[in-house]
Amino acid sequence: DIQMTQSPSSLSASVGDRVTITCRASQSISTYLNWYQHKPGIVPKLLIYGASGLQSGVPSRFSGSGSGTDFTLTISSLQPEDFATYYCQQTYSSFTFGPGTKVDIK
Amino acid sequence: QVQLVQSGAEVKKPGASVKVSCKASGYTFSTYGMHWVRQAPGQSLEWMGWINAGHDSTRYSQKFQGRVTITRDTSASTAYMELSSLRSEDTAVYYCARYMVPTRGFDYWGQGTLVTVSS
Repeated sequence: DIQMTQSPSSLSASVGDRVTITCRASQSISTYLNWYQHKPGIVPKLLIYGASGLQSGVPSRFSGSGSGTDFTLTISSLQPEDFATYYCQQTYSSFTFGPGTKVDIK
Repeated sequence: QVQLVQSGAEVKKPGASVKVSCKASGYTFSTYGMHWVRQAPGQSLEWMGWINAGHDSTRYSQKFQGRVTITRDTSASTAYMELSSLRSEDTAVYYCARYMVPTRGFDYWGQGTLVTVSS
């Protein structure tokens, strides 16, 4: 099974900050990597598909990059509504989620 | 608009089974897949399995193989997830999520169903 790791597990940031979250796969997954945002009491939201594709309706401050085993999610200017937990998900073999990165207010 | 509406919260005893439904509307049910994902308290999202609603083929996570069954009723545009031999560790919120084959993303999610396993 492909294992996913994320770093950091949590971070504190301020509105306007540039935030980068890293996701690593235990083996190459090409670009079969999605990112989701999850807030308490709200269902997960697909942000990025195929490592870098922006899901319809998602603000352009969100971007994704990477291929193979290493991927990043970047929020260019953090907004108040972006405080949430972010999960990566590989879809190369089965559909494994990473452990999550919680972004909270500094 | 696309909507996935799940059945209500359940409380089950250890060893019992639970069946959660997910009714879809706003799109052609048989042209998309449906996945099931759960989140235990304080834990990450965990993929359980999925069904190709058109072909009625299923695939399950190895972790749940033998305990989970995903089915669908195309006439009712509804998918079902049944989990058997429940234990306390199965206490979680269970989500259905629509699968977009071109992106391999889960683009719409049900509201979640809390399943509590307690003696």
